Amino acid sequence: NAGVTQTPKFQVLKTGQSMTLQCAQDMNHEYMSWYRQDPGMGLRLIHYSVGAGITDQGEVPNGYNVSRSTTEDFPLRLLSAAPSQTSVYFCASSYFGSYEQYFGPGTRLTVT
Amino acid sequence: KQEVTQIPAALSVPEGENLVLNCSFTDSAIYNLQWFRQDPGKGLTSLLLIQSSQREQTSGRLNASLDKSSGRSTLYIAASQPGDSATYLCAVRGGATNKLIFGTGTLLAVQP
Repeated sequence: NAGVTQTPKFQVLKTGQSMTLQCAQDMNHEYMSWYRQDPGMGLRLIHYSVGAGITDQGEVPNGYNVSRSTTEDFPLRLLSAAPSQTSVYFCASSYFGSYEQYFGPGTRLTVT
Repeated sequence: KQEVTQIPAALSVPEGENLVLNCSFTDSAIYNLQWFRQDPGKGLTSLLLIQSSQREQTSGRLNASLDKSSGRSTLYIAASQPGDSATYLCAVRGGATNKLIFGTGTLLAVQP
């Protein structure tokens, strides 16, 4: 199993550009989520999905869109990047229920 | 609103020492608590998962305890090694969804 994979590892964007962060898992997990990690703030939930076709907002959803067309993939879209979105983004997955969550290696995004 | 606090924010110990990391949470109605390790520039590695009905979990030199009524968890690391140097994060699953609420972490340095 590759586990949870994320691409790209690093990305630099200019203000106003759009991009998609990719996340995939090969463990057949129903639950997937996106977090951002900022210094002194810990990890905060952006969006999550409990299965294909079902998504919902987390704590900090503004400026981000998600969709879940397959069990394996959960991309995060930045529609118009802002400097406040400079952060490290982590994708996570698990079986739905009281199970351990697995995290990807992260994408470090800088918006100038 | 659930809040998770980790104390201390940073800790430096000599190799071989036993140590305790603390995690507290404000709402005792949790489903489980998970401890993670994060190395610099890397993703999160799950260390231990404690269900709300459990008091402790052990893995090698690591032992995590949970006292739901007082809103506390501790991570005990026995015979610390320089390779244990990392940031340790705790996270609680606070509801019927799989959302995790994270603390801001304890940065551990084990001096050889």
